[in-house]
Amino acid sequence: DQQVKQNSPSLSVQEGRISILNCDYTNSMFDYFLWYKKYPAEGPTFLISISSIKDKNEDGRFTVFLNKSAKHLSLHIVPSQPGDSAVYFCAASGMNRDDKIIFGKGTRLHILP
Amino acid sequence: NAGVMQNPRHLVRRRGQEARLRCSPMKGHSHVYWYRQLPEEGLKFMVYLQKENIIDESGMPKERFSAEFPKEGPSILRIQQVVRGDSAAYFCASSPSRAGANVLTFGAGSRLTVL
Repeated sequence: DQQVKQNSPSLSVQEGRISILNCDYTNSMFDYFLWYKKYPAEGPTFLISISSIKDKNEDGRFTVFLNKSAKHLSLHIVPSQPGDSAVYFCAASGMNRDDKIIFGKGTRLHILP
Repeated sequence: NAGVMQNPRHLVRRRGQEARLRCSPMKGHSHVYWYRQLPEEGLKFMVYLQKENIIDESGMPKERFSAEFPKEGPSILRIQQVVRGDSAAYFCASSPSRAGANVLTFGAGSRLTVL
C-alpha cells in the first residue's frame, strides 16, 4: 500500500526553466512533508519541508506547495540548473511521537543543457 | 562534525551467509532509522530505534532480519542466511529526537550484493 505516491518516474527539463515535481499521499494523518534529493552512490539529503498548517514554503530556488484537500504537494525549482539533476523523493510523516517518515518511489530529474 | 557513518559501503555475500551493516549516527543524535532501497524502488522503512530500544520494526521482514542500537557503539542491521532478494542499498538515518518534526540525516548507504 503506497501511502506516498510519485507517479512520474522521470522528468526532463531545459536548463533555466521551471521543474515541477508532484507527489500525492493517501494518509490524512500525515501533517509534515519533506523533499529529499539523492545523487548516485550517495545518501538522500534534505531539501525542503512544509507542515500542514502552511500551503507554501520557499527556500531560494525551491518552493514546496501543499494542497491538503487534494492530498497533493509539489516541488518547484526555478530556474533549473544542471546540478539539480538527481532523484527527488517526496516524504511524509505524522506529528505524533515515534511516527516514521514514509517515502515515495522518487522522480528522476534530468536538466537538459 | 562527521555525519551519519555507514560501513561497509559495499558488501558481497553468498547465499546463506550473514550480513552485518553498521551505522554510527551523527553526534548528539539518539534516534536511528534503517531504510532499504531495492533496485528501481523508493526508500522502504525497516526499523526505528532509540538507544537500547526498538521503537517500530513494522517494516522489518519477520525472519532473518534483526536490528539493535546498543548503549555503546553503532547500530547494527543483521541479515542472516541472505538470499538474492536481499540485494539492495541499505540506508541509515539519524535524528536528534523523534521524527515527524525533525529532519532525518542519511548516511551514504551500504550496498549489499548477494551472489
